[in-house]
Amino acid sequence: DTGVSQNPRHKITKRGQNVTFRCDPISEHNRLYWYRQTLGQGPEFLTYFQNEAQLEKSRLLSDRFSAERPKGSFSTLEIQRTEQGDSAMYLCASSLSRLGGVEQFFGPGTRLTVL
Amino acid sequence: AQTVTQSQPEMSVQEAETVTLSCTYDTSESDYYLFWYKQPPSRQMILVIRQEAYKQQNATENRFSVNFQKAAKSFSLKISDSQLGDAAMYFCAYRSNAGNMLTFGGGTRLMVKP
Repeated sequence: DTGVSQNPRHKITKRGQNVTFRCDPISEHNRLYWYRQTLGQGPEFLTYFQNEAQLEKSRLLSDRFSAERPKGSFSTLEIQRTEQGDSAMYLCASSLSRLGGVEQFFGPGTRLTVL
Repeated sequence: AQTVTQSQPEMSVQEAETVTLSCTYDTSESDYYLFWYKQPPSRQMILVIRQEAYKQQNATENRFSVNFQKAAKSFSLKISDSQLGDAAMYFCAYRSNAGNMLTFGGGTRLMVKP
């Protein structure tokens, strides 16, 4: 499978717990993006990496959120001390800057439910 | 900041008919990209069609075409010969040429009736 993959696909947690999601981009894609999508809404940008460098962060990304891309390949998104308002679908996308990075390819998402 | 508005929360079309989904956006920039993404139920989002703002010609991809009105900041999607597999959420999205993030509209749920 050469598409963007995300794990886990579903995560149920209790309020106050920490969770971590993983995204594996399309091989050779050097740009990676995280978005959050709440029910019935369009995705909202969270953060963006080029290779291992985190170049842009939305103000939606509170201090409880942290994202890494240590070797410029897969990325992790961690949410500490989860709140019910964090319940959403977390989408990852990747693109190739050599082609202008215009088209972003999306993964299937991780659906987070905070009880 | 750029905003994208989709004023139709839901649309319905008969199989084999044509439907048009609306999208307007607000930007002060002159160089940007516009996209339509399709998100089927419980499946990942896929790109349907894209338009570069500097191109006057409207983009087409098989049964999908756009009507890009730059001055009016309007970007509608026309689906011809609708098929059952076209049923999905459709999102209009904007990307500045100077940036990397996508700004999405709220989406339009398209239902296709057999």
